[in-house]
Amino acid sequence: GAVVSQHPSWVICKSGTSVKIECRSLDFQATTMFWYRQFPKQSLMLMATSNEGSKATYEQGVEKDKFLINHASLTLSTLTVTSAHPEDSSFYICSARGERPLFQETQYFGPGTRLLVL
Amino acid sequence: GQNIDQPTEMTATEGAIVQINCTYQTSGFNGLFWYQQHAGEAPTFLSYNVLDGLEEKGRFSSFLSRSKGYSYLLLKELQMKDSASYLCAPLDSNYQLIWGAGTKLIIKP
Repeated sequence: GAVVSQHPSWVICKSGTSVKIECRSLDFQATTMFWYRQFPKQSLMLMATSNEGSKATYEQGVEKDKFLINHASLTLSTLTVTSAHPEDSSFYICSARGERPLFQETQYFGPGTRLLVL
Repeated sequence: GQNIDQPTEMTATEGAIVQINCTYQTSGFNGLFWYQQHAGEAPTFLSYNVLDGLEEKGRFSSFLSRSKGYSYLLLKELQMKDSASYLCAPLDSNYQLIWGAGTKLIIKP
């Protein structure tokens, strides 16, 4: 149980294009979803937290107009990187947390999406 | 401030036991997670401790002392596939996971 999928796994795009990444909880309802970014050999960096049906809460330094997050349902959240540039190339990982108390506070991670902007 | 302290790298032998220590300082505390992350992959959940003491789950055990701000992950009967980074992540008063850089564990035959 508690499986999270992400699509696509890999994206290579030209500078200036927008990229959408989907995160789905497959066998549970995710009341909260999280988006992280991880650069090589660095720790996970939380970008934003989203609750179903409400606006995402962005961490300091993360541009909300550049990283658009939509948490449309209890099983789906999307991250759109708008007008991507080479410095946006990174490993983007989503995680999902189910309803308390059953799932406690555990975040289950998707497999991640590698974005390479040329 | 919030801080996590883990060894950067550890080496152990296949079949042996290794203990990865973690000390933390957070604004509030709502439990502590251990995740495993293989190179190039996303983290996978290992354990969650919210009360003091040892929780055993197969070859992996996790210990927490809230008064000392200390946790450890104990891995027994090490296998080559256990080579990975191990992330200690406490949950602060806002229920946010605080991530450090993790401990890279290298298993040698």
